[in-house]
Amino acid sequence: GAGVSQSPSNKVTEKGKDVELRCDPISGHTALYWYRQRLGQGLEFLIYFQGNSAPDKSGLPSDRFSAERTGESVSTLTIQRTQQEDSAVYLCASSARARNYGYTFGSGTRLTVV
Amino acid sequence: QQPVQSPQAVILREGEDAVINCSSSKALYSVHWYRQKHGEAPVFLMILLKGGEQKGHEKISASFNEKKQQSSLYLTASQLSYSGTYFCGTESPSNTGKLIFGQGTTLQVKP
Repeated sequence: GAGVSQSPSNKVTEKGKDVELRCDPISGHTALYWYRQRLGQGLEFLIYFQGNSAPDKSGLPSDRFSAERTGESVSTLTIQRTQQEDSAVYLCASSARARNYGYTFGSGTRLTVV
Repeated sequence: QQPVQSPQAVILREGEDAVINCSSSKALYSVHWYRQKHGEAPVFLMILLKGGEQKGHEKISASFNEKKQQSSLYLTASQLSYSGTYFCGTESPSNTGKLIFGQGTTLQVKP
């Protein structure tokens, strides 16, 4: 596609429910990243996929968070048993290669846990 | 591990210049700069890969001092459209492709 697509754009969920966030990267981009941005804050790294290599999960804040990517295409970020502190904008980005290329970000999913 | 940006916020008049700094306590392979407008996704401005390298994007340029583990973003003759939050993202030599972002610098350009 022309850009990075994320869905849904907004999600309101009840505390304790599970949510799935989806990211469609730019076609041909081998690297895909998930970041979290709380209101008025910076970008917090969550997880990174590069081709068929094992993902870098070092930023996932707890075992309630997990992510998958099918080949070099769609990725889903799953948050189980959501908590109020999970409320944030979840941004996905892709880049043509792991290094030396800028990221293209999607518009994000705004998650609100009530 | 997170790079430190300074200043946290800047208010300018149109036509004035600004410098935003990004400093890391760890060795760096590259530095990226992004701009995020309110309610929008961050947009890539430029990447710097070599020590002492400078790059430009319209009237926005940047330098990267690999030895000092620092980068600076220069905005000259600022325009209203430059308003937003600027983030530097740093990549270490060992963390292939992964960026750690600074906390951001909010720039407001007034007429």
